[in-house]
Amino acid sequence: DQQVKQNSPSLSVQEGRISILNCDYTNSMFDYFLWYKKYPAEGPTFLISISSIKDKNEDGRFTVFLNKSAKHLSLHIVPSQPGDSAVYFCAASALGQGAQKLVFGQGTRLTINP
Amino acid sequence: KAGVTQTPRYLIKTRGQQVTLSCSPISGHRSVSWYQQTPGQGLQFLFEYFSETQRNKGNFPGRFSGRQFSNSRSEMNVSTLELGDSALYLCASSFTGGANEQYFGPGTRLTVT
Repeated sequence: DQQVKQNSPSLSVQEGRISILNCDYTNSMFDYFLWYKKYPAEGPTFLISISSIKDKNEDGRFTVFLNKSAKHLSLHIVPSQPGDSAVYFCAASALGQGAQKLVFGQGTRLTINP
Repeated sequence: KAGVTQTPRYLIKTRGQQVTLSCSPISGHRSVSWYQQTPGQGLQFLFEYFSETQRNKGNFPGRFSGRQFSNSRSEMNVSTLELGDSALYLCASSFTGGANEQYFGPGTRLTVT
């Protein structure tokens, strides 16, 4: 039972344009969401997060949007840069049920083309 | 501050053997979580230790076990290895275990033949 799903295994975007990565979840108990970025041979690196009490969180070029009614979140990267090429994982947790347990999606490989 | 370190980085074992992986958290961090990453499955939570106690556990068989020492270093053991155990095993540390505080190590690539 995949509670967090990233339906696009890969995404290719031209440098300077917007990258939009999507994530869906099924568990209504999730109340905290995160995006991680992973380069080959390295562990995931925390990128940005959002609490369920908000619908948007911005950090520089990265913005995460949360649509609780649709159980959907997205990560926008504007403008996209070659260094953004990596695998992106969305993750969710239920703070009231053990915040330590992150449930991850399968990941989306983002490639930024010059 | 040194990051999370995992040893060994690569490991090849045969079916039926057992393996022990090690994780040293960031200094001062008391929580260590373990994840398994396989193609198509993303990262799956194995368990989390805080102050030497297992605080949370994922849906993995009993062949997967772990422990944490008084210095917060953690080990993960897999007994009776199966081909499907081939994966990247990641550990993450945090001070309290909060979701947005987890820092990941580079992982141990386990190959079971």
